[in-house]
Amino acid sequence: GDSVTQMEGPVTLSEEAFLTINCTYTATGYPSLFWYVQYPGEGLQLLLKATKADDKGSNKGFEATYRKETTSFHLEKGSVQVSDSAVYFCALYTGTASKLTFGTGTRLQVTL
Amino acid sequence: NAGVTQTPKFRVLKTGQSMTLLCAQDMNHEYMYWYRQDPGMGLRLIHYSVGEGTTAKGEVPDGYNVSRLKKQNFLLGLESAAPSQTSVYFCASSYYTGVETEAFFGQGTRLTVV
Repeated sequence: GDSVTQMEGPVTLSEEAFLTINCTYTATGYPSLFWYVQYPGEGLQLLLKATKADDKGSNKGFEATYRKETTSFHLEKGSVQVSDSAVYFCALYTGTASKLTFGTGTRLQVTL
Repeated sequence: NAGVTQTPKFRVLKTGQSMTLLCAQDMNHEYMYWYRQDPGMGLRLIHYSVGEGTTAKGEVPDGYNVSRLKKQNFLLGLESAAPSQTSVYFCASSYYTGVETEAFFGQGTRLTVV
């Protein structure tokens, strides 16, 4: 079945550091890929998405590129801020399954 | 724009009690989902629905039942609550055009079973 593997957290960075959170997937069919963010005490919000190979999703300085050859969708940001502290979830969706499959989430903590 | 609304937001149950969690969406989405979130486990799919009157089991369906009598509502029932069902429950709804999709989440229900 479909699955998503994310790097274990927590990830602790200083403000303005470079961020990478790794995500790889296994899917039957051709999935759409997503990064969701969850701030403390809140639900999940879509951060960015990509629907086909080599697409780059971007939002709020975050980027991720859909790499079909390596089945990956790594999240990056060039300079993190304290306000980026949250839990980040990688997810995939295939039309045949009609459901979102999530990774376990990676907690990011950014300090001054 | 209400989006996805979950009620209640918090609840404490005694073992063996029953309850129903309500999810309502106002975006006319076909697909609706119930997830539970536990530390270190991410989000695990309990049940989902691909349209009014349909339901399907997800990854962890045991101990839960669902109903989708109206397109805008998706109910999650616990018939006999157990401490293992202590969790944060999230409802989501989504659309799928054949190419594009996006899911929208409620704010969550924190359930404690004692």
